[in-house]
Amino acid sequence: AQKVTQAQTEISVVEKEDVTLDCVYETRDTTYYLFWYKQPPSGELVFLIRRNSFDEQNEISGRYSWNFQKSTSSFNFTITASQVVDSAVYFCALSGQGAQKLVFGQGTRLTINP
Amino acid sequence: GAGVSQSPSNKVTEKGKDVELRCDPISGHTALYWYRQRLGQGLEFLIYFQGNSAPDKSGLPSDRFSAERTGESVSTLTIQRTQQEDSAVYLCASSLVLGRVGSGNEQFFGPGTRLTVL
Repeated sequence: AQKVTQAQTEISVVEKEDVTLDCVYETRDTTYYLFWYKQPPSGELVFLIRRNSFDEQNEISGRYSWNFQKSTSSFNFTITASQVVDSAVYFCALSGQGAQKLVFGQGTRLTINP
Repeated sequence: GAGVSQSPSNKVTEKGKDVELRCDPISGHTALYWYRQRLGQGLEFLIYFQGNSAPDKSGLPSDRFSAERTGESVSTLTIQRTQQEDSAVYLCASSLVLGRVGSGNEQFFGPGTRLTVL
């Protein structure tokens, strides 16, 4: 069975601080895909990133970076110099090859205080 | 271009009534998914369609739930004899390709339908 665990239910930081959101996954598939989605107060999920299981190269996009480590089954997300607009619920998700559904973690509510 | 759209945005119904929720995927997307999000929770998979067929219905919580898709486009999720525990936001997503290695199954979500069962 596939499972995604986001142990941090809520995080609150002051603007400009760096913050890391943790994601640990379980799967028996050798090929799988990992995702991060953002859900702002408006409610609509916004796709942030997808990683393939055979590509462990870390990725940076502006203030966002992702650290994928197969050895620890983790796919952590870091926001550098956080801004109030980053406040949202962030979901980590997993999809296996041939299994098309996304398995979501419970989400981390991130609050950036001015 | 247009994203995934869902209607209605909000639905309030009485316990025991049937409801229909509609999803219009991104044009050309072959795969369509339904998820449910209870208040403060993550998303639960319900069902997905490849074309008009539903290879995986494993997430439907009971036989009161059903879904169909026509013309490889619009999908309708029907909940019969609604119960209070059905109250949630129902999210629809679509994706362009399905299952090919390297495709990653990137799903684009609609704004959801908030269902409240009184």
